[in-house]
Amino acid sequence: AQTVTQSQPEMSVQEAETVTLSCTYDTSENNYYLFWYKQPPSRQMILVIRQEAYKQQNATENRFSVNFQKAAKSFSLKISDSQLGDTAMYFCAFMTLSLVNRDDKIIFGKGTRLHILP
Amino acid sequence: DSGVTQTPKHLITATGQRVTLRCSPRSGDLSVYWYQQSLDQGLQFLIQYYNGEERAKGNILERFSAQQFPDLHSELNLSSLELGDSALYFCASSVVSGGEQYFGPGTRLTVT
Repeated sequence: AQTVTQSQPEMSVQEAETVTLSCTYDTSENNYYLFWYKQPPSRQMILVIRQEAYKQQNATENRFSVNFQKAAKSFSLKISDSQLGDTAMYFCAFMTLSLVNRDDKIIFGKGTRLHILP
Repeated sequence: DSGVTQTPKHLITATGQRVTLRCSPRSGDLSVYWYQQSLDQGLQFLIQYYNGEERAKGNILERFSAQQFPDLHSELNLSSLELGDSALYFCASSVVSGGEQYFGPGTRLTVT
């Protein structure tokens, strides 16, 4: 069974620092997608970044980047120059896409609560 | 604003009742996903539809059902409600399966 593990339930960093959130997953699939979502106190879910497993290049979106290690099944999120508005719950998610069986799997980790301190 | 709309925003009902949550995906998105988020919990994937057909099933209870209509909006029906069904229910949409999912604001369901 596929699983997604976020080993850091809660983290705090000072504003402007760089922080890395870890995510590991377990799957026997070869084709899948990985996502990081942010959920601020408003509870709105916001896509931060998406990575396709067949792409070796790590995805980047402005101050957010990932370190995708396929062999190690690791997908960490790095936030550079952290800002107060980055304070949120961050969820790592995994999705398989079954073109034959139409039996996609979507699994979210339990989340990491990130506090950016002024 | 993600472009995904959900109604109602809040719903309060009693145990044993039945409710329907509605979701309109972003224009052009064919795939709709439903999630449940209990208090201080992560997201549980419930079910996905793609262009009117069920595509994937997660931890959806038998008391729950969903469908996607020809105009691509979707409804999640929750019946025989229990206290434990109180949660935030999210709908998300994407252009294709595996694509970037855009989430609606959620429907907060309180069962008393």
